[in-house]
Amino acid sequence: GQNIDQPTEMTATEGAIVQINCTYQTSGFNGLFWYQQHAGEAPTFLSYNVLDGLEEKGRFSSFLSRSKGYSYLLLKELQMKDSASYLCAVMGATNKLIFGTGTLLAVQP
Amino acid sequence: DGGITQSPKYLFRKEGQNVTLSCEQNLNHDAMYWYRQDPGQGLRLIYYSQIVNDFQKGDIAEGYSVSREKKESFPLTVTSAQKNPTAFYLCASSIGGLDNEQFFGPGTRLTVL
Repeated sequence: GQNIDQPTEMTATEGAIVQINCTYQTSGFNGLFWYQQHAGEAPTFLSYNVLDGLEEKGRFSSFLSRSKGYSYLLLKELQMKDSASYLCAVMGATNKLIFGTGTLLAVQP
Repeated sequence: DGGITQSPKYLFRKEGQNVTLSCEQNLNHDAMYWYRQDPGQGLRLIYYSQIVNDFQKGDIAEGYSVSREKKESFPLTVTSAQKNPTAFYLCASSIGGLDNEQFFGPGTRLTVL
């Protein structure tokens, strides 16, 4: 079967660093995406990893280990506006994204 | 501005009625998708289309139908056969291919009374 696991909720403090993990088991692998979604709004693209390693983009970084079926999203210098759900999604063997349930991040003052 | 539009934002229907959700994009994207989002669950794929006049069932296509007569438009009809139609519906589009991000519309929240 196909499965993507990520924590349901996380809490962090403004200005801190938080790491959101994602593990996956899928039929085929053609890349892993991270999206941010504020409540009631559309998901917006954050990052894409297809090769092992770290991709850095401003305050956000994403890491991938294909052999371990593992990725994480790292958010630095947290701001209140970073409070949102973070969705991990894997592109499997076909041209379809498989989404995890999302991690709801609450940033506290 | 280029983007994806979905209308309306909120939609109410009586049980037993069919309802059509619109999705329009002016990004010149070949591929379009419909997802359903329920609390505590990930986005689930309903239907997708890689090219005009062609579409495929996703993971939860039962009770839904689509058409793709124009590149810009991919309307979704929620039929009375859908057992639990109340949900947040998201439309997305992409250039196509396996490594291209999907761009999402603002969503339509459908409530069936």
